Amino acid sequence: GESVGLHLPTLSVQEGDNSIINCAYSNSASDYFIWYKQESGKGPQFIIDIRSNMDKRQGQRVTVLLNKTVKHLSLQIAATQPGDSAVYFCAENEWAAGNKLTFGGGTRVLVKP
Amino acid sequence: EPEVTQTPSHQVTQMGQEVILRCVPISNHLYFYWYRQILGQKVEFLVSFYNNEISEKSEIFDDQFSVERPDGSNFTLKIRSTKLEDSAMYFCASSDPGQGRNQPQHFGDGTRLSIL
Repeated sequence: GESVGLHLPTLSVQEGDNSIINCAYSNSASDYFIWYKQESGKGPQFIIDIRSNMDKRQGQRVTVLLNKTVKHLSLQIAATQPGDSAVYFCAENEWAAGNKLTFGGGTRVLVKP
Repeated sequence: EPEVTQTPSHQVTQMGQEVILRCVPISNHLYFYWYRQILGQKVEFLVSFYNNEISEKSEIFDDQFSVERPDGSNFTLKIRSTKLEDSAMYFCASSDPGQGRNQPQHFGDGTRLSIL
């Protein structure tokens, strides 16, 4: 069936370095993607989104890249800070099929001081 | 910044009992959702709700589940006869379709449901 998955379950990064979190998706009809951050005891927090008519979108310290050819999504965090330590999820949506989000399994990012 | 709020934060219930989880979505949002996350697993879609009716639901959302918007601010998830496997974090989310398609869903901090 269709699924969204993550390559790396845990990413350890030095404070100040850049982080890259990857996500593979298999539903070629998906046209909207979101990255969420989840801290312990909290709900998923919206970070950034991208529509399928774009291949790059930038926010504050974050960049999302979308490669539709290989169905790959990545989140880049610049100058990673201790507050970035969390689990990061990608989620996809196929608008024609409704509003539900299909989540990936999550990547834990640990920032070392 | 407006946020989705959920109560209670933790609910402990005996198996077979009914439970109601409550959510207050962001006030100008029109789409509402419930998701769940079993410990160590992915966040899974349960149901979406728009214009006072269910717009879509997953296989998980069987006859034991129901949703309601009893007034202009609350959105509830009811499980009629809870099972051990219903133990999970339940997240409510809302989105604003007024800005066009593909709008982000904003999540609450969840209710941890523990079935004994």
